Amino acid sequence: NAGVTQTPKFQVLKTGQSMTLQCAQDMNHNSMYWYRQDPGMGLRLIYYSASEGTTDKGEVPNGYNVSRLNKREFSLRLESAAPSQTSVYFCASSETELGSGNTIYFGEGSWLTVV
Amino acid sequence: QKEVEQNSGPLSVPEGAIASLNCTYSDRGSQSFFWYRQYSGKSPELIMFIYSNGDKEDGRFTAQLNKASQYVSLLIRDSQPSDSATYLCAVRPNSGGSNYKLTFGKGTLLTVNP
Repeated sequence: NAGVTQTPKFQVLKTGQSMTLQCAQDMNHNSMYWYRQDPGMGLRLIYYSASEGTTDKGEVPNGYNVSRLNKREFSLRLESAAPSQTSVYFCASSETELGSGNTIYFGEGSWLTVV
Repeated sequence: QKEVEQNSGPLSVPEGAIASLNCTYSDRGSQSFFWYRQYSGKSPELIMFIYSNGDKEDGRFTAQLNKASQYVSLLIRDSQPSDSATYLCAVRPNSGGSNYKLTFGKGTLLTVNP
């Protein structure tokens, strides 16, 4: 059981380049998330998708776009990468809304460096 | 701005001791509380969740919640070197569009010395 799978695991971009982080989950979860984690800042929510066909902004959405391709897949796109987007990105999923026994399960992370 | 505060540490305890990790939160209406463990270079993994005031035990781990004081803690009994990690407190704020949002603390680094 793979859980939440992210690709790529490591990526170096030049400022201004674009790229897409891919995420897929095999737990039949309805909700998916993208977080970034920076030293001293903790985990911050970028975007989430409560269910297939919906996406909503989180705490730090600027500079990112997302696509919920189907129930399994949720991608994160950087249209014009900036050094401030150097971070570790985690995709996550949950069965449904958080609480009442439901919580999020994280992928292994994608290390992105923008030079 | 809803906040979750944790002492960044490092918290250093000897093997076999009890490690006590603390977390305070600002949103008084918060309902759900989670503890995650994160090893260096790895993703966070869920240890425990708690919703009701009081204690919840799972093996060597005990979560404690006091909503009146807006305080949640994690106790690790018989600490092992393999418990050395960063522990993240996460809070689901009050409802009203927040059913899918967890606010994370910055984490406490725990080191268990053999």
